[in-house]
Amino acid sequence: QSVLTQPPSVSAAPGQKVTISCSGSSSNIGSNYVSWYQQLPGTAPKLLIYDNNKRPSGIPDRFSGSKSGTSATLGITGLQTGDEADYYCGTWDSSLSARVFGGGTKLTVL
Amino acid sequence: QLQLQESGPGLVKPSETLSLTCTVSGGSISSSSYYWGWVRQPPGKGLEWIGSIYHSGSTYYNPSLKSRVTISVDTSKNQFSLKLSSVTAADTAVYYCASPRPDSSTCYHYWGQGTLVTVSS
Repeated sequence: QSVLTQPPSVSAAPGQKVTISCSGSSSNIGSNYVSWYQQLPGTAPKLLIYDNNKRPSGIPDRFSGSKSGTSATLGITGLQTGDEADYYCGTWDSSLSARVFGGGTKLTVL
Repeated sequence: QLQLQESGPGLVKPSETLSLTCTVSGGSISSSSYYWGWVRQPPGKGLEWIGSIYHSGSTYYNPSLKSRVTISVDTSKNQFSLKLSSVTAADTAVYYCASPRPDSSTCYHYWGQGTLVTVSS
């Protein structure tokens, strides 16, 4: 059981927009920065968003992040088949003194 | 560009100790101002944070693994290591070492390619 809650799966058609939610509590999302990772099959996770809404160099602006209270959201616009992957949210939990991840969301581009 | 590479046995027997090392290139652990981490992923499952270490040796551990985990650092070799004792089949996973961004310690930007460790007799 993950500390952060994500939907197991989401799907949308190519060119459409999708959002992935990440729900936590006051000790994690509510008081710390959130990051998002994309993991393609058989590869290491790749940082997509950090500090709630910042994109590392090379990450297209089709990917966006936001945070409100104890929840965070990853948005992906202009979906491409290459976006099919597992997506994870992560943050620090101040009560646990531990980094925590969501259970992951599998994105299917229909 | 920072690069991380995990190394260690791919097969460990039940009840024994899993040992992995992460070698860092393109940057210095001793001059960093953030914690270097270990993350694992059982086959077909999600990411699980194991713990992290500062160049001084200060550590944080996942509470669920704390009794079995030791993370250490060797700044002279630019390496940090993971030991997980009393392993069972549930510890079978791909193990990644990871590092934050220099401008933000809140995330893992750099990741090793991962190494699969199987616990089996």
